[in-house]
Amino acid sequence: GAGVSQTPSNKVTEKGKYVELRCDPISGHTALYWYRQSLGQGPEFLIYFQGTGAADDSGLPNDRFFAVRPEGSVSTLKIQRTERGDSAVYLCASSSGSGNTIYFGEGSWLTVV
Amino acid sequence: QKEVEQNSGPLSVPEGAIASLNCTYSDRGSQSFFWYRQYSGKSPELIMFIYSNGDKEDGRFTAQLNKASQYVSLLIRDSQPSDSATYLCAVQTGANNLFFGTGTRLTVIP
Repeated sequence: GAGVSQTPSNKVTEKGKYVELRCDPISGHTALYWYRQSLGQGPEFLIYFQGTGAADDSGLPNDRFFAVRPEGSVSTLKIQRTERGDSAVYLCASSSGSGNTIYFGEGSWLTVV
Repeated sequence: QKEVEQNSGPLSVPEGAIASLNCTYSDRGSQSFFWYRQYSGKSPELIMFIYSNGDKEDGRFTAQLNKASQYVSLLIRDSQPSDSATYLCAVQTGANNLFFGTGTRLTVIP
């Protein structure tokens, strides 16, 4: 596609449930980033992939959060045993490499009730 | 997290004035610096990037970088009501990771 695509755009789930958020980066982009943004805050770094591997996962808040990018393209962010505090917009971004522009998707709005 | 700090604002300027947005960062190894604009309910969109010390101009926008002071700023000349948004400073480290500040909310008053 022309831009970074994220699905679902909106997700409401019950506390304790499992959630998967998908990101399809711009074709050919090797770098992929996940961020979480709460109301009134800047994007909080979660994890960064270079190709298939996680180059930096230091932003994942705890072991309930996990992300994969098995073929170096699409990535899935997985959240287990969701909590109300996980409610936020989850933003995915991609770029073609170091120093190049990073483009954002429209985000997945997660609400845990 | 690499620390990137911005004044959260809100910053209010009259239409036609210059808006000045500031950002400091803690990682001296940072190499690239970006300003993103984010409208309410939308994702960030890139306005400008700067890699070298000094000024970089693009239309009504000027980015300024001082690596010795670990300081980057964005000037918006002839501010318009449509410039009202949150402006996010982002810093890219040598490892190609990208960290954001909390953003400064700008309101341009007609």
